[in-house]
Amino acid sequence: GQQVMQIPQYQHVQEGEDFTTYCNSSTTLSNIQWYKQRPGGHPVFLIQLVKSGEVKKQKRLTFQFGEAKKNSSLHITATQTTDVGTYFCAGFSSGGSNYKLTFGKGTLLTVNP
Amino acid sequence: SQTIHQWPATLVQPVGSPLSLECTVEGTSNPNLYWYRQAAGRGLQLLFYSVGIGQISSEVPQNLSASRPQDRQFILSSKKLLLSDSGFYLCAWSGSKTSGGASSFLYFGPGTRLTVT
Repeated sequence: GQQVMQIPQYQHVQEGEDFTTYCNSSTTLSNIQWYKQRPGGHPVFLIQLVKSGEVKKQKRLTFQFGEAKKNSSLHITATQTTDVGTYFCAGFSSGGSNYKLTFGKGTLLTVNP
Repeated sequence: SQTIHQWPATLVQPVGSPLSLECTVEGTSNPNLYWYRQAAGRGLQLLFYSVGIGQISSEVPQNLSASRPQDRQFILSSKKLLLSDSGFYLCAWSGSKTSGGASSFLYFGPGTRLTVT
């Protein structure tokens, strides 16, 4: 079945440093979604990328979708303590179930003030 | 606006006891509904999803079951809990019936933290 892998599993940075998490799928994706889960909270949708090579920005966050639609990345510039949490990517397999969204295991980001 | 409710927020149950977790959605109709489980420090495991009343798809064979008695109600049950059932149970909904649809992303409820002792 479809597998979505994320690296790194954990990342600790000093406030102000940049952060990147990478997502790779074993199959071509119809789209990729990113979620953030604060400690003790539930996942919250951040963004969806649909087109090959698509790049989207949300303030200090930059999301990319690979040309082959099998990988994605999330980059945070100049991290802040409010960025702490686990970042998940998730995707629907192209040609697969329309309802089964497969999540990566997430990257836990901690920020030292 | 749409809201999603889950209860209880926390639950401690002995091994072998039954389980019933409820999830309801307001402000939308005919949503896709999902149950995910998150073990401590781990990712999100899809347990069940439903695209309509009485329609349940199971992703992981186990001692859990799900039911959707009403359009916006989703219930997760077990007849006998195991220690391995401990975790953070999340209900979620989406509005789209196609994977690439604009509303295919998930809205998660606040979750239920289950500890089986």
